Amino acid sequence: EPEVTQTPSHQVTQMGQEVILRCVPISNHLYFYWYRQILGQKVEFLVSFYNNEISEKSEIFDDQFSVERPDGSNFTLKIRSTKLEDSAMYFCASSERFFRTANEKLFFGSGTQLSVL
Amino acid sequence: EDQVTQSPEALRLQEGESSSLNCSYTVSGLRGLFWYRQDPGKGPEFLFTLYSAGEEKEKERLKATLTKKESFLHITAPKPEDSATYLCAGHYGGSQGNLIFGKGTKLSVKP
Repeated sequence: EPEVTQTPSHQVTQMGQEVILRCVPISNHLYFYWYRQILGQKVEFLVSFYNNEISEKSEIFDDQFSVERPDGSNFTLKIRSTKLEDSAMYFCASSERFFRTANEKLFFGSGTQLSVL
Repeated sequence: EDQVTQSPEALRLQEGESSSLNCSYTVSGLRGLFWYRQDPGKGPEFLFTLYSAGEEKEKERLKATLTKKESFLHITAPKPEDSATYLCAGHYGGSQGNLIFGKGTKLSVKP
């Protein structure tokens, strides 16, 4: 079955450094998302992306975050100046269509564990 | 107030002991109710989407149902490999792929 793949699986960085998390969504999917999960807490929505534009973003997704689809296969999340509280598991997800139709599915990758020291 | 609330937080079952997990949700604006399985250190794995009250979906030992105010994930004769955290998430009208997740139910099935 097709998968969403994320790299790296673990990333350690110093506070204030920039990090880029990478994702390869499922090939025929058109909608892309980033979520995060702080240890022991809920999975939280960050941003959705379609047609090279942000469709929606949460309060968490402030000016230090950005997303990009640099080519036909990759989808990236950049954190410009990391903070201690950015430490979390970051999940990329993709769907074939937007959730307007029945039986829509959202597929998640295995995540990148970001540790900010 | 949380839009999606799951109970119990944790559930321990013996192999073969059937049970149900609960997901209560804010009714207003709900467009779809999702169930996911999450293993430690992994991303959520899609199980089901439910859209209307009365709808049921099954996959192996799991059956998800939806009423007007809550959803249940029934586990019939569970096996140790069913041990995981089960997540419920709501998609609300007007959002662009923003799923609101519950805290999850951690299920442990002992042989």
